[in-house]
Amino acid sequence: DAKTTQPNSMESNEEEPVHLPCNHSTISGTDYIHWYRQLPSQGPEYVIHGLTSNVNNRMASLAIAEDRKSSTLILHRATLRDAAVYYCILRRSSGSARQLTFGSGTQLTVLP
Amino acid sequence: NAGVTQTPKFRILKIGQSMTLQCTQDMNHNYMYWYRQDPGMGLKLIYYSVGAGITDKGEVPNGYNVSRSTTEDFPLRLELAAPSQTSVYFCASSYPGQGNTEAFFGQGTRLTVV
Repeated sequence: DAKTTQPNSMESNEEEPVHLPCNHSTISGTDYIHWYRQLPSQGPEYVIHGLTSNVNNRMASLAIAEDRKSSTLILHRATLRDAAVYYCILRRSSGSARQLTFGSGTQLTVLP
Repeated sequence: NAGVTQTPKFRILKIGQSMTLQCTQDMNHNYMYWYRQDPGMGLKLIYYSVGAGITDKGEVPNGYNVSRSTTEDFPLRLELAAPSQTSVYFCASSYPGQGNTEAFFGQGTRLTVV
């Protein structure tokens, strides 16, 4: 399975934008890029996903590099409630029950 | 809409005891998964199922068993509990899709084996 690389931790000030990077240099052409986050003592929750084009939803934006070897999750205005571990995951379009393979993620700290 | 429900939320087991972690989903999802998460680590896949009657091993299946008799339920069985199985267990479900569907996770079962 293709792997992802994320920084272990990042800090942001409240109400400022946050850019969380992810490298996935061995991504295949049909892998979707997913982002999940895990708040303290909770199960992971879906944030956003994309294939080639940039994506926006109510939670965040996903910017995908043209060669698809990296992506960035953008939180437009960080709040204290956004403090969580953010996981960048490649999800295959076929086989293996579309497993989500988790790495160690990025711990985001939001400073008031 | 309940989503994915796991029971119990917490459990303490003695070494050698057995238990079943329950997971049920009300979204009619074909795919279901069991993960474990050790402190400070990411989630590791234990078992998964693509539909009723079909299960397969994930990355860390040793010491666990699963069954999938209905679409809704996917119980995880621990036989002969060991301290190494102390962890938080998460169940998840999703539609098959083409890799473009979101997975829904339960709130987890925190298991301690002493």
